[in-house]
Amino acid sequence: EPEVTQTPSHQVTQMGQEVILRCVPISNHLYFYWYRQILGQKVEFLVSFYNNEISEKSEIFDDQFSVERPDGSNFTLKIRSTKLEDSAMYFCASSERQGRELFFGSGTQLSVL
Amino acid sequence: KNQVEQSPQSLIILEGKNCTLQCNYTVSPFSNLRWYKQDTGRGPVSLTIMTFSENTKSNGRYTATLDADTKQSSLHITASQLSDSASYICVVSGPGGNEKLTFGTGTRLTIIP
Repeated sequence: EPEVTQTPSHQVTQMGQEVILRCVPISNHLYFYWYRQILGQKVEFLVSFYNNEISEKSEIFDDQFSVERPDGSNFTLKIRSTKLEDSAMYFCASSERQGRELFFGSGTQLSVL
Repeated sequence: KNQVEQSPQSLIILEGKNCTLQCNYTVSPFSNLRWYKQDTGRGPVSLTIMTFSENTKSNGRYTATLDADTKQSSLHITASQLSDSASYICVVSGPGGNEKLTFGTGTRLTIIP
């Protein structure tokens, strides 16, 4: 069964360092998303990506964040200068069409020290 | 403000018993309502998606109901199994895409033998 895969599963970094979280969406999906979940809190939308550009972003997704689809399969989230409050589980998701079922990856647990 | 409230926050039941989880929402306008299952440390997995015109939808032992007039939904689990232990998240979508999802905080369900 097709699935969204994310790497790494855990990432520990020092405050101020750059991190790149990687995702391989399901191959025939066209819409890609990043969500995050701080421990004990709700899942929150970060950014959506379609046709090689950001289609929408939340207020969380500030200038420290960027996304890229460097080739036909990978979808990355970069945090330029991590802060303590960036510690969270980051989920990549994809969908075949706008508004359709979302398929989530298993997440990357980011810990900023 | 769009909100999704779930109850109870946590629930413990014996294996084989049934249970019902509740979701109230204030999202307006409304497009669809989804129930997800999230195992600890994993991404959410879709159980059901219902539009405003659907009253009930089943997926195996999971049955979701929706009352769009009262803005309430429930998820009924029949003949619970140990593997049902997880968080169950109600997610409501406004018009448009998956950027407009409002997540509930979930109900933590524990099945004991």
